Amino acid sequence: GQQLNQSPQSMFIQEGEDVSMNCTSSSIFNTWLWYKQDPGEGPVLLIALYKAGELTSNGRLTAQFGITRKDSFLNISASIPSDVGIYFCAGRWLPDKLIFGTGTRLQVFP
Amino acid sequence: GAGVSQSPRYKVTKRGQDVALRCDPISGHVSLYWYRQALGQGPEFLTYFNYEAQQDKSGLPNDRFSAERPEGSISTLTIQRTEQRDSAMYRCASSLVGRDTGELFFGEGSRLTVL
Repeated sequence: GQQLNQSPQSMFIQEGEDVSMNCTSSSIFNTWLWYKQDPGEGPVLLIALYKAGELTSNGRLTAQFGITRKDSFLNISASIPSDVGIYFCAGRWLPDKLIFGTGTRLQVFP
Repeated sequence: GAGVSQSPRYKVTKRGQDVALRCDPISGHVSLYWYRQALGQGPEFLTYFNYEAQQDKSGLPNDRFSAERPEGSISTLTIQRTEQRDSAMYRCASSLVGRDTGELFFGEGSRLTVL
C-alpha cells in the first residue's frame, strides 16, 4: 500500500527536550495532517494544514506544510511523559483519500 | 453513537474461513473509511464511502476483500477465504464530510488473527 516516509523512525528523549520529526512524499498533497496514536487506541488528529507554507501551532505543537507540498514537519516543545506514542503524518491525495506515513515512535524519559 | 464502534474487537479464525467486520460510524458522519494497520506501521488505506456509495476501493488487496455500506451508515468489511497474511488490525474511521477538514475519527479497531 501507499505510505509516506517519516523520519526518524524512533526517538528517545528526556523530558523537557524539544522534538522534531518530518514527513516526505514523492507526490503533491493538498492537505497535511498529523496524528498521534497511543497504545491500543486509534489515531487522533493533532494538527491540520491546508496551504503550502502554512505554519500552525496547537499548544506545544507546531507543524508546517512545505512549500513544495511534498513535505511537512512537526515540532513538539518541552516534551512531557504523556507525549509518548506514535506520531503519523497523513496527506490528502485524491479527493477524500488520506494516506498515512510510516510513523515516528517517541519515547520520553523523566 | 458517541464514537466509531467496531465489532468484533478480536477475531481468531482458521485459514480459509470468511470473516465479516462491522463498523458503526459516528451518527451523521457522511464519509466512512476502512484502513488496515500492521503492528508498528501506519494505517494503510483500503476503501471509503460517501453515504452508501463506495468512492474508492483501490486499496483493497485482492478480490477476497469487499466492503459495503448499504444504507449509508453501518459498514461491513468482508474477507473471504482468509489467509494468514490477512492478520492485522482493521480500523474504521468516519468524518462529517470527507473533503473539508480531514478529521477522521477512528474506532478502536478489530484485530484479526488467521491461524
